[in-house]
Amino acid sequence: RKEVEQDPGPFNVPEGATVAFNCTYSNSASQSFFWYRQDCRKEPKLLMSVYSSGNEDGRFTAQLNRASQYISLLIRDSKLSDSATYLCVVRGATNKLIFGTGTLLAVQP
Amino acid sequence: NAGVMQNPRHLVRRRGQEARLRCSPMKGHSHVYWYRQLPEEGLKFMVYLQKENIIDESGMPKERFSAEFPKEGPSILRIQQVVRGDSAAYFCASSPEASAGFTTYEQYFGPGTRLTVT
Repeated sequence: RKEVEQDPGPFNVPEGATVAFNCTYSNSASQSFFWYRQDCRKEPKLLMSVYSSGNEDGRFTAQLNRASQYISLLIRDSKLSDSATYLCVVRGATNKLIFGTGTLLAVQP
Repeated sequence: NAGVMQNPRHLVRRRGQEARLRCSPMKGHSHVYWYRQLPEEGLKFMVYLQKENIIDESGMPKERFSAEFPKEGPSILRIQQVVRGDSAAYFCASSPEASAGFTTYEQYFGPGTRLTVT
């Protein structure tokens, strides 16, 4: 079983739509979680950290469910510029980041 | 406020040559991490270094790969006798020292070095 699992997509959505991604992790002792965004052939960029109480940043909302070991990302009012690969990330021992393979989002005009 | 810097951005090597990839962390950051992204795959951790110390090298291949982060200068990832399977994007990330009682610190990535082995 992979340490971090994501649906690879692609998710094809129209502009203005709401889209949600889920991710599961295998290590119940994990403490820190993140969503990164990666544009084609570019470096991953931190989108947001994920806190136990859930957190929101503009159109983006992240949730953590420790009991079920899953993390979600909700994007409201999708923009063309949101098209990218979204990476679910868990911090492992010694601070190394463990990445999911990513979910591809394509927002259509 | 410069971000994480990596050079070269693109590197072409013939099989059997050596590749040296350099990473300068963000100002004020003393922790450096190297990750590799093979074509069509996710990012995989390679090594975690602090100044003059290797903290975790559990993701490094056992042979041909080494990393250092000297007291002065950038971190270096060195690949000896490269093979075609080493062709990948190599990303460096950095993070600051943890504040007392604060254990979550985010990592910021450089633009990567794309290594092509011919």
